[in-house]
Amino acid sequence: AQSVAQPEDQVNVAEGNPLTVKCTYSVSGNPYLFWYVQYPNRGLQFLLKYITGDNLVKGSYGFEAEFNKSQTSFHLKKPSALVSDSALYFCAVHTGGFKTIFGAGTRLFVKA
Amino acid sequence: GAVVSQHPSRVICKSGTSVKIECRSLDFQATTMFWYRQFPKQSLMLMATSNEGSKATYEQGVEKDKFLINHASLTLSTLTVTSAHPEDSSFYICSALSPPKGGRSGNTIYFGEGSWLTVV
Repeated sequence: AQSVAQPEDQVNVAEGNPLTVKCTYSVSGNPYLFWYVQYPNRGLQFLLKYITGDNLVKGSYGFEAEFNKSQTSFHLKKPSALVSDSALYFCAVHTGGFKTIFGAGTRLFVKA
Repeated sequence: GAVVSQHPSRVICKSGTSVKIECRSLDFQATTMFWYRQFPKQSLMLMATSNEGSKATYEQGVEKDKFLINHASLTLSTLTVTSAHPEDSSFYICSALSPPKGGRSGNTIYFGEGSWLTVV
């Protein structure tokens, strides 16, 4: 069965510091990996995805993620956090049937 | 701009009534749409797969008679929560499967903005 794990419920970081939100996956075959963000009282927004190609994927709002096949990880990163990045982040994998399996979510708090 | 639209974005209904949520693909035809639910402080869970012109496929534990899904056209799927109760209060979000376009191979999933349902 395919699954996604986000080991941290919450990540706290100071504004201007780099941030990392962790994600590991378990899939059969090639993984289709995604990051989504949900701001308070808002819907789901697509950040970035990895299908194939370069292991470092760049997405919206200055975020990037690195696909690491040996570690089965797809950590989300940003070099310099902003207070406005505070939100709920979901790592997800798309199955062969295009269903989306979400991780539990990680709440990011960026302190000024 | 948004390629999948959900309406209403927020709705409050009385316990025992039914409420309908629409999911529209704006610039593509979606033979398949998906409905998810997110309880407070929890992740999003797939409820059902909506297939145009046929019955929806429900995930285990989801009551098909309570959550009616209709996918009558290639651009519209509806989720009707029947006889709603406070425990049905949740964030409901749909996604639509877009076919390959613009020379790009493979399908793409687009999510709607979601609908907040509060049952009082």
